Amino acid sequence: EVQLVESGGGLAQPGRSLRLSCTASRFTFGDYAMHWVRQAPGKGLEWVAGITWNSGNTGYADSVSGRFTISRDNAKNSLYLQMNSLRAEDTALYYCAKALSGTSGNIDYWGQGTLVTVSS
Amino acid sequence: AIQMTQSPSSLSASTGDRVTITCRASQGISSYLAWYQQKPGKAPKLLLFAASTLQSGVPSRFSGGGSGTDFTLTISCLQSEDFATYYCQQYYSYPYSFGQGTKLEIK
Repeated sequence: EVQLVESGGGLAQPGRSLRLSCTASRFTFGDYAMHWVRQAPGKGLEWVAGITWNSGNTGYADSVSGRFTISRDNAKNSLYLQMNSLRAEDTALYYCAKALSGTSGNIDYWGQGTLVTVSS
Repeated sequence: AIQMTQSPSSLSASTGDRVTITCRASQGISSYLAWYQQKPGKAPKLLLFAASTLQSGVPSRFSGGGSGTDFTLTISCLQSEDFATYYCQQYYSYPYSFGQGTKLEIK
């Protein structure tokens, strides 16, 4: 069974940075697009960022564009989200998610999430 | 950015009922639409993709339809385990986006 384990969440002050990591196992990580999706407490799902299998194409939600950067290291089976200039509205559970193919945006596996809280 | 609007936002139904949830895209997305189910405290689960393709392991009482801007998710005979929140998602173009969710509750 696919495993996705997020880490790096925690409490950050507004304006500061955090880097989330996701370690993947039990599938060929380098063959699939990957995504970050977040969910604020009691709210719906928000797609945050995505990256194709070879890092050739990335995309961002308007709400994070210019502040967040998604990247991956296929040799380390790892996905990252660098979050800069954090705001209170970035507070959420952040899910690492695997796509159905190398370029797709539909998601067939999700991690359990890492909680990011932005507060002074 | 493409906006996804689901209706209704909440729905009460009984076991055995047939229910339909609608998802509308603000512009055409062909069939690049997925449906997810989420239960409290759990990660979402993929139900359908490409608007109407059932994900492996998902019961056949779930079905999807539509293309372009209007889509539906139908559950033909509600079971107790189906009471959850459902989301549509477009993956036609960046930035991808989810609908606001439809909470399906027991009547």
